Amino acid sequence: GQSLEQPSEVTAVEGAIVQINCTYQTSGFYGLSWYQQHDGGAPTFLSYNALDGLEETGRFSSFLSRSDSYGYLLLQELQMKDSASYFCAVRDHSASKIIFGSGTRLSIRP
Amino acid sequence: DTGVSQNPRHKITKRGQNVTFRCDPISEHNRLYWYRQTLGQGPEFLTYFQNEAQLEKSRLLSDRFSAERPKGSFSTLEIQRTEQGDSAMYLCASSLADSGANVLTFGAGSRLTVL
Repeated sequence: GQSLEQPSEVTAVEGAIVQINCTYQTSGFYGLSWYQQHDGGAPTFLSYNALDGLEETGRFSSFLSRSDSYGYLLLQELQMKDSASYFCAVRDHSASKIIFGSGTRLSIRP
Repeated sequence: DTGVSQNPRHKITKRGQNVTFRCDPISEHNRLYWYRQTLGQGPEFLTYFQNEAQLEKSRLLSDRFSAERPKGSFSTLEIQRTEQGDSAMYLCASSLADSGANVLTFGAGSRLTVL
C-alpha cells in the first residue's frame, strides 16, 4: 500500500523560511507533488519532482531524495497569505492514481 | 475554459436518502478523479477515469458509491442510502494524461451533510 507522513502543524514568522518534510512508502514511484489549500478553498498544484534534487519556483522550492523516500517543500520570504495547508502527494505504481498525505497546516505569525 | 465545475456546492440530506454530485472537468482533460476530504485530512482517493473508462476504485469505497463518466466528459458520483459518516467534501479533479507531472486541477467541491 501507500502511505505518506508529514507534520500536522508548523508555525513560522513572516519573512522567515520554513521547510515541510514528507516521507513516503509506495509500491512503485512516479513522482512527488505538493499542493496548497487555503481554508475553504480547493487544493492547487505547487510543484513536482520526478528526479532527485531541487526544483525552484519563485519563493517555493521542492526537494526529492528517492533513495530516502523523502522530500520537502521550502517556502522562503514567508507572507501572511502563505498560511494554508500543504499536502505532499505521490503517484502510485499505475502512474495515474495520486495519493495525498494528511497535510501540514502552516500558520504564520507577524 | 472556466476550470473544473462541481454541482451542487452544498447538499444537506437525511440519512438513507440518495445524493448525486456532478463534475464538469476542463474540456481537454481526459482524466477525471473523485476524492473525499474531511476536516483536517488530505484528499482521500475514491476513483478515477481515463476518458469514459473507470480504471480504479478505492477498496475503501463501499458499493453504495458509484461513479460514471458516460461520454468521457462530465462525471457523476452517486451515494445511495447515505449515512452520517458520508458527510464530507467531495472533490473532483481533472488532468491531462501524458503530462509529466499529472497535475490535478481541482473543483471547488461539493459539501455533503447527512443528518
